[in-house]
Amino acid sequence: NAGVTQTPKFRILKIGQSMTLQCTQDMNHNYMYWYRQDPGMGLKLIYYSVGAGITDKGEVPNGYNVSRSTTEDFPLRLELAAPSQTSVYFCASTWGGRDEKLFFGSGTQLSVL
Amino acid sequence: QKEVEQDPGPLSVPEGAIVSLNCTYSNSAFQYFMWYRQYSRKGPELLMYTYSSGNKEDGRFTAQVDKSSKYISLFIRDSQPSDSATYLCAMSAARTLTFGKGTMLLVSP
Repeated sequence: NAGVTQTPKFRILKIGQSMTLQCTQDMNHNYMYWYRQDPGMGLKLIYYSVGAGITDKGEVPNGYNVSRSTTEDFPLRLELAAPSQTSVYFCASTWGGRDEKLFFGSGTQLSVL
Repeated sequence: QKEVEQDPGPLSVPEGAIVSLNCTYSNSAFQYFMWYRQYSRKGPELLMYTYSSGNKEDGRFTAQVDKSSKYISLFIRDSQPSDSATYLCAMSAARTLTFGKGTMLLVSP
C-alpha cells in the first residue's frame, strides 16, 4: 500500500516553462488536495477535488490548473512558471465528508529560475 | 486578524521536558481540530484529531481544545530528540483545512 505518491521529487524550471506535478493515491479516497508550502508560511491550499470530474479553487489558485479524470490521479499543471511559484508542493487525500484526516505525499520541491 | 495564529518558534527544550504548543483561531465555525507533525523534507503526518472542546490523550501526547476561548494546545510529555520536528495545527469547518504556520520544536539530548 503506497499511500500518496508524488513525482518528481525535485525540479528546476526556467521562467515561462510549463510542467505537470503528478499525484496518485491507492486508498480509494474521494477527496484530493494540492498545497504549497513556503518557508515559515504554513500550507496554502491551491486546488482540491471531491471526486472524479469535480475540482474547486483553494486560497492561491492563480497560475495553476488541475484535472481529476480518475479517483486515483490529481495532477497539478503550471502553465507559465514564475519565480513566485518556487515552493514545496504537497498532494494530500482523504475519504472526505467529516473525515479530515489527510494523508500527504512526500512533496515536490520546485525552483523557478 | 489571521484565521489561525501559531508561534513559529523555534522552541528549544531539553530531553524529558514537557512541551506546550498552541494555536488561536478566529473562525467560530471550526469544529474539527488536528495536529500534524512534519519532519524536515517530509510531508506532514497526522498526530492528533479532536472534535469539539475537551482533551484527548494518545501516549505522550495530549490535545486540548477550548472552543470558548478559540484556543487549542498540544502537550508532549517526556519529550524525546525524535520529537524534533515542525508541528502544524489545522482546523476545519467544511471541506478544507486551514493550517497554522507551524512551530519548530528542537529537543536536545
